[in-house]
Amino acid sequence: DSGVTQTPKHLITATGQRVTLRCSPRSGDLSVYWYQQSLDQGLQFLIQYYNGEERAKGNILERFSAQQFPDLHSELNLSSLELGDSALYFCASSADYLSYEQYFGPGTRLTVT
Amino acid sequence: DQQVKQNSPSLSVQEGRISILNCDYTNSMFDYFLWYKKYPAEGPTFLISISSIKDKNEDGRFTVFLNKSAKHLSLHIVPSQPGDSAVYFCAASAPPLVFGKGTRLSVIA
Repeated sequence: DSGVTQTPKHLITATGQRVTLRCSPRSGDLSVYWYQQSLDQGLQFLIQYYNGEERAKGNILERFSAQQFPDLHSELNLSSLELGDSALYFCASSADYLSYEQYFGPGTRLTVT
Repeated sequence: DQQVKQNSPSLSVQEGRISILNCDYTNSMFDYFLWYKKYPAEGPTFLISISSIKDKNEDGRFTVFLNKSAKHLSLHIVPSQPGDSAVYFCAASAPPLVFGKGTRLSVIA
């Protein structure tokens, strides 16, 4: 158990809809990262937050947004969903913004039908 | 444009033998390299790492080798055990982390 929790585990929704994925980092970790893993793909970095502020951005679509709250949990919002957004979404956390070793949650599997 | 490549999607090894997983990268700005292991229905778990200033790092049965001139790193597992069967991801950091697509290792008893 990494100490990182993600909810929900599975999500099935229709095209055009909007969903919110939630992540609670390990106790004491200030950085939260979001990754997307599509079929047969590696983990694609989406965005990083550190202590409530956006720290780094990867290939995150404009339809996607995230935030980190004062209690350090984070939410990833996906809107105007398309079939191609179906993927595993992982959250990871680390102690600070330059930590290379990240601790991953179990992921949320999103299926868009 | 894949900056981190794991060219072998799968690898099968006999229990007790050596497993060698390979990874190539293109970005010379990467300064830290990591290997993560992933079991089904779980998130990746950090396994071992190496800084770009080193060429070898060892942790028990796991050793990572870095060849900067070839932009190549490898993970050696000796001896391989059935519990090592998992998907192994190579990752490199500039930061942020850039992951390869993974290699599925099967250790056969």
